[in-house]
Amino acid sequence: TQLLEQSPQFLSIQEGENLTVYCNSSSVFSSLQWYRQEPGEGPVLLVTVVTGGEVKKLKRLTFQFGDARKDSSLHITAAQPGDTGLYLCAGDRAQKLVFGQGTRLTINP
Amino acid sequence: DAGVTQSPTHLIKTRGQQVTLRCSPISGHKSVSWYQQVLGQGPQFIFQYYEKEERGRGNFPDRFSARQFPNYSSELNVNALLLGDSALYLCASSPGGATYNSPLHFGNGTRLTVT
Repeated sequence: TQLLEQSPQFLSIQEGENLTVYCNSSSVFSSLQWYRQEPGEGPVLLVTVVTGGEVKKLKRLTFQFGDARKDSSLHITAAQPGDTGLYLCAGDRAQKLVFGQGTRLTINP
Repeated sequence: DAGVTQSPTHLIKTRGQQVTLRCSPISGHKSVSWYQQVLGQGPQFIFQYYEKEERGRGNFPDRFSARQFPNYSSELNVNALLLGDSALYLCASSPGGATYNSPLHFGNGTRLTVT
């Protein structure tokens, strides 16, 4: 079983739509990170959330850390084809990163 | 500034062989971590080294080993390769050892195919 479960695993939507990706766990994490990975490349860090209830915004992306620090969400407003990629959440557990299985997002023009 | 560099980019090996993967961290970064990413999955933690000392090891068999050199570069060795070792092997560097305030910078990985 995955320590971090991401949903949905696959999402294909039209340009301009909004979407939310979820990252859930039964464990508490000291921090949680979101990465985006494109084909042939390594993951690139988007944001780190540390405090329960924390909300961070990165242009059209909004990240939230659950109050209990067990879950997180990523909301994208007005998705664009450039948002296409594999989105990974990763929890900090004993100073090691535990990754979810990822959400493969496709934005169709 | 150069990012994390990994070599080779692609590798094809036969079952039972041994392989060595190499990683050069970002200048000034003292920590190197290795991850295995099987197709369709998220990365799985293999090792972390900080200041040449092993800081952590994931749930991988003893066929996997690694080391970090005085210049902070690192090698990952895998012996007696199995078909299931086919994956993208990612190296990540960070300035310090803690992950929450010392985020990881990943290389583009080595794609290993075992036939």
